[in-house]
Amino acid sequence: AQSVTQLGSHVSVSEGALVLLRCNYSSSVPPYLFWYVQYPNQGLQLLLKYTTGATLVKGINGFEAEFKKSETSFHLTKPSAHMSDAAEYFCAVSDRGGNAGKSTFGDGTTLTVKP
Amino acid sequence: DAGITQSPRHKVTETGTPVTLRCHQTENHRYMYWYRQDPGHGLRLIHYSYGVKDTDKGEVSDGYSVSRSKTEDFLLTLESATSSQTSVYFCAISDLVQGGDYGYTFGSGTRLTVV
Repeated sequence: AQSVTQLGSHVSVSEGALVLLRCNYSSSVPPYLFWYVQYPNQGLQLLLKYTTGATLVKGINGFEAEFKKSETSFHLTKPSAHMSDAAEYFCAVSDRGGNAGKSTFGDGTTLTVKP
Repeated sequence: DAGITQSPRHKVTETGTPVTLRCHQTENHRYMYWYRQDPGHGLRLIHYSYGVKDTDKGEVSDGYSVSRSKTEDFLLTLESATSSQTSVYFCAISDLVQGGDYGYTFGSGTRLTVV
C-alpha cells in the first residue's frame, strides 16, 4: 500500500522567506503526486500535480514542486512567502493504473507566515 | 462555480442514530469519494464509487455505507452513529482521463458531531 510522509506538522516562515514543505512517498513505481491546500473551514484545493513528463511542476499562487525519483520525494516550494499562504498543505499520491484514482494523503503541514 | 456541494454543512446527532450525508456534483464525473479528516490523520478514505451502483470500501469503512443511484449523487450513511465518527467529512470527485490522474475537486465538507 502507498504511504506518504510529510516531514514537519508545523512550519513557520517570515513573510518574504522561502517556503519548503517536504513530502516523501513509498512506492516501487512512481505514482501520481499532488499537493493540496486547505484554508480554514474550507475544502481542499489542488495546488499542483505531477503525472508525467517534466519533473518540475508549477502550480497556482507561485508554488512549485519537483519530483525526484531517486529520493522518492515531491517537496513543495515557494520563493517568497506571503501572508495569504498561511494554510494547511497536504501531499497525496495515487497509483498508476487500475485503482479508480484513490489517493492516499499525508497528515498535513500547517504553514504559518509571520509578518 | 461550485460543481460539488455537500449537505448538510453542520450536523449534531445523538449516539446510535442513523445519519446520511449527501454529495451532489454537476460535473458528470465518474468517480466519487468520501473521506474523513481528523487532526493528525490527514484524510482517510471511507468509500468510493466508480460508477452508478458501483462502490467499494476504503481504509476506514466500518460503520459506514454508501449508495450511488445517480451519477450526480453519492450518499454516505452512518448506520448507528458513535462518538468516534465525530469528524469532518469531505466528498471529492475525479474524472480520470487516459494516461493520467488529474486529482480531485473537493466539496466544502460536513462537520459532524456525535454526542
